[in-house]
Amino acid sequence: AQKITQTQPGMFVQEKEAVTLDCTYDTSDPSYGLFWYKQPSSGEMIFLIYQGSYDQQNATEGRYSLNFQKARKSANLVISASQLGDSAMYFCAMREGLRGAQKLVFGQGTRLTINP
Amino acid sequence: DSGVTQTPKHLITATGQRVTLRCSPRSGDLSVYWYQQSLDQGLQFLIQYYNGEERAKGNILERFSAQQFPDLHSELNLSSLELGDSALYFCASSVARGDRLNTEAFFGQGTRLTVV
Repeated sequence: AQKITQTQPGMFVQEKEAVTLDCTYDTSDPSYGLFWYKQPSSGEMIFLIYQGSYDQQNATEGRYSLNFQKARKSANLVISASQLGDSAMYFCAMREGLRGAQKLVFGQGTRLTINP
Repeated sequence: DSGVTQTPKHLITATGQRVTLRCSPRSGDLSVYWYQQSLDQGLQFLIQYYNGEERAKGNILERFSAQQFPDLHSELNLSSLELGDSALYFCASSVARGDRLNTEAFFGQGTRLTVV
C-alpha cells in the first residue's frame, strides 16, 4: 500500500503567489515524522521542514509551513511568496517504525515551476 | 551544505563491473542511510547502519552490500552491475539515537551512477 501520496505530478505558479503542495500519508504507528525535501535540477536533496506526530503546532521554517491535519492524515507544504528559485521537485516523506530503525518513505514528488 | 559528503559525484562504468560509493556523515551523526533514486522506482530506501551495525534493510539487491566503519563513514558496494542500476545514490545521516525519534535527516549531494 502506498504510504505517501503526492497527487500533483506538476504545478505551475506565478512568482510571489503562495503555493500548496499536497501530501497524504498512511500509517498505523502513533509515532511518526513527516518531512519535506526540495530537489533542484542539480540533484541534491535539501531538507525543508519537519513535523512530528505529537507536535501540537504546525511547523514553520521561514517561507515554508506545514499544514498538518492528523485526522485527515495530510501534511501539505505551503510556500509563501514563491520565488523563481523555488522551481524544483518537492518530496514528502514519512519516518515510522521502531526506534533506531527509522527509514524514510518518499512520495513520488511534485514538480513545481514558478513563472515570472 | 548539508555536511554529508559523498564521493564520487559521478561514476560511469560498464555492465558486470563493481563500484564503491563512499559517504561521510555529518559530525556526530551515528546513523547512515542509503537511498536509490531512479526514474521508474522513485526514491527507495536501501539500507541503514547505526554506529557500525546494520539496523534496517529495504529494497537492496543481493548484488549490493554496505558497511559502516568505526569512524562512521559508510561504503555502498555495487557488483555485477546492470544497466538498470543506473541511478542517483544518496547517503543521508541523522543522529538517530536508539531512544527517540529524531527529527532530521540530511542528505549528501548524491552519486550519479551510469552503467553502460
